[in-house]
Amino acid sequence: GEDVEQSLFLSVREGDSSVINCTYTDSSSTYLYWYKQEPGAGLQLLTYIFSNMDMKQDQRLTVLLNKKDKHLSLRIADTQTGDSAIYFCAESDSSNTGKLIFGQGTTLQVKP
Amino acid sequence: GAGVSQSPSNKVTEKGKDVELRCDPISGHTALYWYRQSLGQGLEFLIYFQGNSAPDKSGLPSDRFSAERTGGSVSTLTIQRTQQEDSAVYLCASNKDRTDTQYFGPGTRLTVL
Repeated sequence: GEDVEQSLFLSVREGDSSVINCTYTDSSSTYLYWYKQEPGAGLQLLTYIFSNMDMKQDQRLTVLLNKKDKHLSLRIADTQTGDSAIYFCAESDSSNTGKLIFGQGTTLQVKP
Repeated sequence: GAGVSQSPSNKVTEKGKDVELRCDPISGHTALYWYRQSLGQGLEFLIYFQGNSAPDKSGLPSDRFSAERTGGSVSTLTIQRTQQEDSAVYLCASNKDRTDTQYFGPGTRLTVL
């Protein structure tokens, strides 16, 4: 079945770049997503990429997609303490529902 | 505009009791999803509604779980005879159709004592 894997923890210094990696298994996924979850809050959509794209940039966020290796990454430039959160990678299911298959989440810790 | 809302935000119940969780999707969104976020299982899909079609219940963990969506808008997730392993955050999401981005509500934190 589908599976999405992420590393569990990343620690960076304020001002550095953060790179969060994700691998997925369903090559027929149309979209791949990055969601952010702050403590006690719901899931906030950060960005997404269509499966026929290699890269998408949105202000400080850059998403890279390698379809051959089924690898997705999220780069956050000039990381701030407010970026500290859990980041979830998700792929859309190829069934009729479009349900999301989530990774375990990467906790990003930004040290001042 | 208003986002997805869920109520209650927190629910504490005793083992064996029934609970109802409510989701109000974004106006105009015909698709609605329920997910569960728990420590042991991460984020997992529970059920999907699309318009008037039969729901996809393939993610419901047991027959104690059920959900309905009245009038194609508000949805209620019901858990009967709650167990401690049901303790989790229950998240609702909606979108215009299955290819659209899903927007999540703040969740209901359920604690079963």
